[in-house]
Amino acid sequence: QQQVKQSPQSLIVQKGGISIINCAYENTAFDYFPWYQQFPGKGPALLIAIRPDVSEKKEGRFTISFNKSAKQFSLHIMDSQPGDSATYFCAASKGRDNFNKFYFGSGTKLNVKP
Amino acid sequence: GAVVSQHPSRVICKSGTSVKIECRSLDFQATTMFWYRQFPKQSLMLMATSNEGSKATYEQGVEKDKFLINHASLTLSTLTVTSAHPEDSSFYICSAASGRAYNEQFFGPGTRLTVL
Repeated sequence: QQQVKQSPQSLIVQKGGISIINCAYENTAFDYFPWYQQFPGKGPALLIAIRPDVSEKKEGRFTISFNKSAKQFSLHIMDSQPGDSATYFCAASKGRDNFNKFYFGSGTKLNVKP
Repeated sequence: GAVVSQHPSRVICKSGTSVKIECRSLDFQATTMFWYRQFPKQSLMLMATSNEGSKATYEQGVEKDKFLINHASLTLSTLTVTSAHPEDSSFYICSAASGRAYNEQFFGPGTRLTVL
């Protein structure tokens, strides 16, 4: 059973546009929701993360929106740039269970066209 | 801060040989390290979780005798792929958690393993 579902699988956005990637989860015990950016042949890098006590977190051009009742969270990339073209993964984890084990979404390949 | 390195970055080996991949936390002590496997255009698949000084916990379906994990110190974990076969070819990524930054994991750059 996939604990975190991510959509869309791929996304094409024009430079300057807004990229939106969505994730949904099942387990209400999850309390940490990070987003990772991965370039080809590289390891994932933490972009931004949120905990369920807030509904939104913004860092630069990246914003996480969190809807606890709907069990959904999304990543918004404002003013998308070609350098943002990468694969994005959402994840969720629950406290100290299983030593912070992460449940990853399936990934979204973002292509920002110049 | 929170840098994780992996060595080697790429390795090519013959079928039947064993390959060791190292994962180091460079500027923090990692109480827990994780090993992931990633196939092309797919998500990260957790293989095992290891705590320093204790046996690794393997995910269902991962052969512990084939993928040997050692977490000998708070800054080093190793993954040994024993008797590698072409189907073991993949991108292996480690991550480390310090236990101080609640829930945060810091990922290494990955190791591309090709088994001929």
